[in-house]
Amino acid sequence: EVQLVESGGGLVQPGGSLRLSCAASGFSFSTYEMNWVRQAPGMGLEWVSYISSGGTIYYADSVKGRFTISRDNARNSLFLQMDSLRVDDTAVYYCARSSGLTDWGPGTLVTVSS
Amino acid sequence: QAVLTQPASLSASPGASASLTCTLRSGINVGAYRIYWYQQKPGSPPQYLLRYPSDSDNHQGSGVPSRFSGSKDASANAGILLISGLQSEDEADYYCMTWHSSAFVFGTGTKVTVL
Repeated sequence: EVQLVESGGGLVQPGGSLRLSCAASGFSFSTYEMNWVRQAPGMGLEWVSYISSGGTIYYADSVKGRFTISRDNARNSLFLQMDSLRVDDTAVYYCARSSGLTDWGPGTLVTVSS
Repeated sequence: QAVLTQPASLSASPGASASLTCTLRSGINVGAYRIYWYQQKPGSPPQYLLRYPSDSDNHQGSGVPSRFSGSKDASANAGILLISGLQSEDEADYYCMTWHSSAFVFGTGTKVTVL
């Protein structure tokens, strides 16, 4: 069974940093594309970033230059380093498997507030 | 103008069919795009329903009932999610998605209410 579990969320001040993790199990992690998607409170879904099995990376314009996606295939883990956080980055952050976003974790809440 | 536009809400009776549209921005041809559909219930992550690029290349999510199906309306430049035999458990938010200009783009979402 595919399992994705995010962690690392919390309360941070504007301008601060957080590092999110996504622990994957139940599939061959190294062979899959992975994504981060977020959802602000009461709002719709917003794709954040993508990383291929070979390391190709894409970012949404809203986070480009501030967020960094990475993966550790030996640890079956996906990461999102978030710097220069803004109030409008407040959201539940999900990791999602594959280019079709076919499997999702339960999400981790990031709150950016002073 | 958003890349993908969905009606904000849709209401239908149990047993009826509901057709959810996902309209692509003018200048972007739906025929060239894979359209993905997701269902999200309150307090839960989205669930992948299906992918519809064409009749010959569609993909149903694992465990997704066959009463959920996809299609395209070229004249409307839209992807369509059809829910047949609507059930109370289908009450949820529905999002379409596609890959455009090196980014995944989600539609604005449709809230489906089963009356």
